[in-house]
Amino acid sequence: EDQVTQSPEALRLQEGESSSLNCSYTVSGLRGLFWYRQDPGKGPEFLFTLYSAGEEKEKERLKATLTKKESFLHITAPKPEDSATYLCAVTGANNLFFGTGTRLTVIP
Amino acid sequence: SAVISQKPSRDICQRGTSLTIQCQVDSQVTMMFWYRQQPGQSLTLIATANQGSEATYESGFVIDKFPISRPNLTFSTLTVSNMSPEDSSIYLCSVEQGDTGELFFGEGSRLTVL
Repeated sequence: EDQVTQSPEALRLQEGESSSLNCSYTVSGLRGLFWYRQDPGKGPEFLFTLYSAGEEKEKERLKATLTKKESFLHITAPKPEDSATYLCAVTGANNLFFGTGTRLTVIP
Repeated sequence: SAVISQKPSRDICQRGTSLTIQCQVDSQVTMMFWYRQQPGQSLTLIATANQGSEATYESGFVIDKFPISRPNLTFSTLTVSNMSPEDSSIYLCSVEQGDTGELFFGEGSRLTVL
């Protein structure tokens, strides 16, 4: 059964304190892994797509990596404006499956 | 990326009533997707709406409860029928960017059922 698990559920960081969010997945024939950012009261905002193990993507303070079993979203020197829920989703032979997200709070 | 507008952004509804959510996209798209996000939970696909055909519903969702219209390539509606407090959720419209699997979402419609 296709499954996506994100950890931790919540993460509090001091401004400038780098860390990583994890997305573990089980899917038949991975076609893509996606990271989204969701601010309170808004729809998810697309960040990255990763297609194969070893692939990496970067955008500002965010870097996403992919292995055969999991993906990491690395946040370098975060700022308060990075506070949001980060969602991971995978698509295989079937539909897109979303994880429950990691709620990140960056404290000034 | 597509710009997606949803209306209403939020509403408070009485038990037993129905509410229709509208989704407008600024470009023509083949498929539009309707998701539900219950408090503290992940996004769950309700149905896929294709223009000119009936919507395809996921397991656990039925047309009588969530009727969908797709009159053209830029517009869709989702109705939440005979609402109960369990229907209190954020409902999201989304479209796919090309054939990439990347989804773009509207701002969502937050429904509270009393």
